[in-house]
Amino acid sequence: DAGVTQSPTHLIKTRGQQVTLRCSPKSGHDTVSWYQQALGQGPQFIFQYYEEEERQRGNFPDRFSGHQFPNYSSELNVNALLLGDSALYLCASSLFLGQGNSPLHFGNGTRLTVT
Amino acid sequence: KQEVTQIPAALSVPEGENLVLNCSFTDSAIYNLQWFRQDPGKGLTSLLLIQSSQREQTSGRLNASLDKSSGRSTLYIAASQPGDSATYLCAVRLPTNAGKSTFGDGTTLTVKP
Repeated sequence: DAGVTQSPTHLIKTRGQQVTLRCSPKSGHDTVSWYQQALGQGPQFIFQYYEEEERQRGNFPDRFSGHQFPNYSSELNVNALLLGDSALYLCASSLFLGQGNSPLHFGNGTRLTVT
Repeated sequence: KQEVTQIPAALSVPEGENLVLNCSFTDSAIYNLQWFRQDPGKGLTSLLLIQSSQREQTSGRLNASLDKSSGRSTLYIAASQPGDSATYLCAVRLPTNAGKSTFGDGTTLTVKP
C-alpha cells in the first residue's frame, strides 16, 4: 500500500525564481493538502484540493498556487521566491467525505532552500 | 482563530519512564484531534485520531485523551524507549473549516538509555 510520495526531496532555488513541488496521495485518498513547516515550528496550512478544485486556503499570498490532477496527484507552485519561503513543504492526503473520521497521512516532504 | 499550544517544548526522560505530553486548544468546538510523530528532517507519522465524540484512543503503548470542555488533550506514552525520541505534534480541525488542521509547535522528546 503506497503511502504519500513527494518529489523532489531537496531543492535549492534563487530569490525570484519559481518552483513546482509534486505529491501523490496515499492509495484510496481523494484529497490533498499542502503545509509549510519552518524550522522548529508546526506545519502551517497552505491549501486543500478536492475534485481538482481548491477547497480551502490558509493565510498565504497568491504567489502560492496549486493544482490537482484527475488521478488525485497534486502540484504546489511558488512564484517569485523569497528567502522566507525556505522551509519543509509537506503534502498530506485524506478522504474528503467524513473528514472527521479520516486521519491525515503525510509524505516525507520537500526541503526548499532559497538563496 | 484556533490556537494550539504544546508545553513543554522539550522533555528528556530516562528509558522505561511513563510520560505525558500536553496539547491545549482555544476553540473547544473541534471536529477531531490528531497526534503525530516527526523524526528529524522527516514527514509526520500519524499516531492517533480522536473524534470530537470520543474521550480517548489507544494504540499499543500510546493512549490519547480528549477533554473538549477544558480544551486539552494528553498523549500518554508507557514504558518509554530510546526509539520514542522524536517531536510529537498535535493538530485540531474545526467543523467550520474541516479541510484545515491547526498544529502546535510540538514537544521534542528525548529518551535516554
